[in-house]
Amino acid sequence: DAGVIQSPRHEVTEMGQEVTLRCKPISGHDYLFWYRQTMMRGLELLIYFNNNVPIDDSGMPEDRFSAKMPNASFSTLKIQPSEPRDSAVYFCASSLVWLNTEAFFGQGTRLTVV
Amino acid sequence: ELKVEQNPLFLSMQEGKNYTIYCNYSTTSDRLYWYRQDPGKSLESLFVLLSNGAVKQEGRLMASLDTKARLSTLHITAAVHDLSATYFCAVEGNNDMRFGAGTRLTVKP
Repeated sequence: DAGVIQSPRHEVTEMGQEVTLRCKPISGHDYLFWYRQTMMRGLELLIYFNNNVPIDDSGMPEDRFSAKMPNASFSTLKIQPSEPRDSAVYFCASSLVWLNTEAFFGQGTRLTVV
Repeated sequence: ELKVEQNPLFLSMQEGKNYTIYCNYSTTSDRLYWYRQDPGKSLESLFVLLSNGAVKQEGRLMASLDTKARLSTLHITAAVHDLSATYFCAVEGNNDMRFGAGTRLTVKP
């Protein structure tokens, strides 16, 4: 398996634009996580899915953020409208089960909102 | 709310020396993970600790977990330059996975 695949790797957009980040988890993994990493706040869990169903989205910062998982092999994180403070590295991770196993992280998407 | 604290946040050490990174957490949990992140890269899983007293070793790194003290340690033995990276601990809560702030390790020749 190629691991967790994220796209794009880098995204630069203007404030107010819609941004969509994409993730393909490892095949067979039941859990998918979206994290945001910034210098100020470190790694934050935004939302996670189990079998394509959102379980906990309490980490999503605002209504401008939304995430979907239409099938087991694809998830999106959308920011609309984007703001400069959304600039961060966004990681997608997947794991086989919630407990007792580590999560495998994608390479991340570095988002810059200008 | 689960809180995870790592210390030190920055660590500069000489090659060949030993040191320990500490990870404290605030609520009961017996599942703790250590990850490594190289600059500009993703996170790579190092250790999975699933019970009190668990000890795992890989090369020059050894991790342990004391759930009663809510403490995990990552011990570095005879450091080499290749170990330079940021190390994160992560603790599993009820519906959450909290990461520490990370320890940026620099190993100097």
